[in-house]
Amino acid sequence: DAGVIQSPRHEVTEMGQEVTLRCKPISGHDYLFWYRQTMMRGLELLIYFNNNVPIDDSGMPEDRFSAKMPNASFSTLKIQPSEPRDSAVYFCASSTNSGSNTGELFFGEGSRLTVL
Amino acid sequence: DQQVKQNSPSLSVQEGRISILNCDYTNSMFDYFLWYKKYPAEGPTFLISISSIKDKNEDGRFTVFLNKSAKHLSLHIVPSQPGDSAVYFCAACLSGNTGKLIFGQGTTLQVKP
Repeated sequence: DAGVIQSPRHEVTEMGQEVTLRCKPISGHDYLFWYRQTMMRGLELLIYFNNNVPIDDSGMPEDRFSAKMPNASFSTLKIQPSEPRDSAVYFCASSTNSGSNTGELFFGEGSRLTVL
Repeated sequence: DQQVKQNSPSLSVQEGRISILNCDYTNSMFDYFLWYKKYPAEGPTFLISISSIKDKNEDGRFTVFLNKSAKHLSLHIVPSQPGDSAVYFCAACLSGNTGKLIFGQGTTLQVKP
């Protein structure tokens, strides 16, 4: 089975440009998460969805960040306008609450964003 | 404000020896804890977990210990192997909301042959 699929894997853009990161969760998973990895703070939760509905977006750093999940198989994280301090690796993860409910998340390979 | 902290950014051990990775948390409401492992250019993968009703959970070479009074947990790897070289993230959550994991900063483990 395919895991969580993220695109693009790498993105280099200039300050002020719009960036859109994409994620396809594992089929059947009802939770989707967006995390950001930085050296200083490790993995920070930005936002998560349950059944396509945003549940907690308290980690979204600013209004420049927005996330959508129009259906169960697709989500986007958008940064507009982008700034150099947004440079990081952005991970998407999915999980299901069925079964043992261990909290195990399945991560994609990440999108490395560089804003010049 | 970091609710989950891994104060050692890196650790280097010799192959065959024990690796001990530490993690502290501040929120006493957390009652479920997990460790994830991450190789370069890959996403983190689940390694082992422990519920707050236990103080130890073992899976092969990996053992997680939980000290609730100290709000501290540790991951022991024994014997360490070069393939264990990776970044290890500690994570915590509320069992009623295991969808929301709070991660630490990560510790880079290097196991030398």
